[in-house]
Amino acid sequence: GENVEQHPSTLSVQEGDSAVIKCTYSDSASNYFPWYKQELGKRPQLIIDIRSNVGEKKDQRIAVTLNKTAKHFSLHITETQPEDSAVYFCAASRAGGYQKVTFGTGTKLQVIP
Amino acid sequence: GAGVSQSPRYKVAKRGQDVALRCDPISGHVSLFWYQQALGQGPEFLTYFQNEAQLDKSGLPSDRFFAERPEGSVSTLKIQRTQQEDSAVYLCASSLSEYQPQHFGDGTRLSIL
Repeated sequence: GENVEQHPSTLSVQEGDSAVIKCTYSDSASNYFPWYKQELGKRPQLIIDIRSNVGEKKDQRIAVTLNKTAKHFSLHITETQPEDSAVYFCAASRAGGYQKVTFGTGTKLQVIP
Repeated sequence: GAGVSQSPRYKVAKRGQDVALRCDPISGHVSLFWYQQALGQGPEFLTYFQNEAQLDKSGLPSDRFFAERPEGSVSTLKIQRTQQEDSAVYLCASSLSEYQPQHFGDGTRLSIL
């Protein structure tokens, strides 16, 4: 089955700096890569996703890049704000059939004011 | 409703008791997923429904876990003879179709004493 590894497990940045979270996946058939933000005690919320026919996608301060050859994908948050503090999960799935999603282990991001 | 609703939010049970966790998906969502999230970990897939059909239950940890969605809307996850290792947050997610992003509920935090 799919295995998703995520680094780093914790990340502290100063407000206004950029944050980068990296993930690798093992199943070359995976073609859908969502990112979720989870605040303490809250539900995971989809913040951005990318499909394998696209190398990069951007939504305001958030961008995701995908390298299919290396099976790497990354989340980039620019101009970080304190409200960005949360746990971020990358995930991978095969979009065909149904989306059985395999999650990474999470990155706890702390933005220091 | 506006989002996926899960009940109860918190459940404490003694080892050996049976528990039932409920998920109300977003109206009209065909796909429904159950995940188990241990403390500090990412969600792990348990089972998937397309309407009332349980198409994948490969993630259920043991035969003590049982899920149903008899009318293709509300789903119940039942755990029989609970063990301490069952303590976790149980998340439900739904999507409009198998090709659409999943929307999560707030989860049920289950504690087995």
